Amino acid sequence: AQSVTQLGSHVSVSEGALVLLRCNYSSSVPPYLFWYVQYPNQGLQLLLKYTSAATLVKGINGFEAEFKKSETSFHLTKPSAHMSDAAEYFCAVRVNTGGFKTIFGAGTRLFVKA
Amino acid sequence: GAVVSQHPSRVICKSGTSVKIECRSLDFQATTMFWYRQFPKQSLMLMATSNEGSKATYEQGVEKDKFLINHASLTLSTLTVTSAHPEDSSFYICSAREGMDSPLHFGNGTRLTVT
Repeated sequence: AQSVTQLGSHVSVSEGALVLLRCNYSSSVPPYLFWYVQYPNQGLQLLLKYTSAATLVKGINGFEAEFKKSETSFHLTKPSAHMSDAAEYFCAVRVNTGGFKTIFGAGTRLFVKA
Repeated sequence: GAVVSQHPSRVICKSGTSVKIECRSLDFQATTMFWYRQFPKQSLMLMATSNEGSKATYEQGVEKDKFLINHASLTLSTLTVTSAHPEDSSFYICSAREGMDSPLHFGNGTRLTVT
């Protein structure tokens, strides 16, 4: 079964530091992978997606992710954290079980320290 | 960009009553809508998938008679929590997409508190 695993429920970085949020996937077929961000008491906003084109995907707000098949990873990075990046981040995979559905990882809360 | 409006954003109800949550796609036709439930500090759990004009498909463990889903038009899906109990208190989020390969657009969620 296709799934995603996010390593680390909490990540804390200083403002201006590199952000690295980890996601590993399991899939027997080329996966469609996504990163979403959720701010408190809100829905989810798509940051970026991988759909088997370029392995390095650039998203909104300066985020990017690299699909590495050899490592079954799709880690999210941002060179310099901003206070406004503090939020919950979800890695997700689209699965086809009689219709396309999106399955979410457990989420990683990003804290940004001044 | 595509907008999904979810209403209400917060609702408090008494145990035993029913609550209806609406999810509307404002500027696109949503052939498929999804309902998720999110417990505090946890991920989104898919509850059901609804396609316009047909019965919703529920995930394993989700009570169909408890969580009634109606997708009567291409722009509206509703989730009714029937005979709500305190354990139904949660954050409910809907998402919608136009076609099979279309991106998901999320509503802002509904915080349900059952007293």
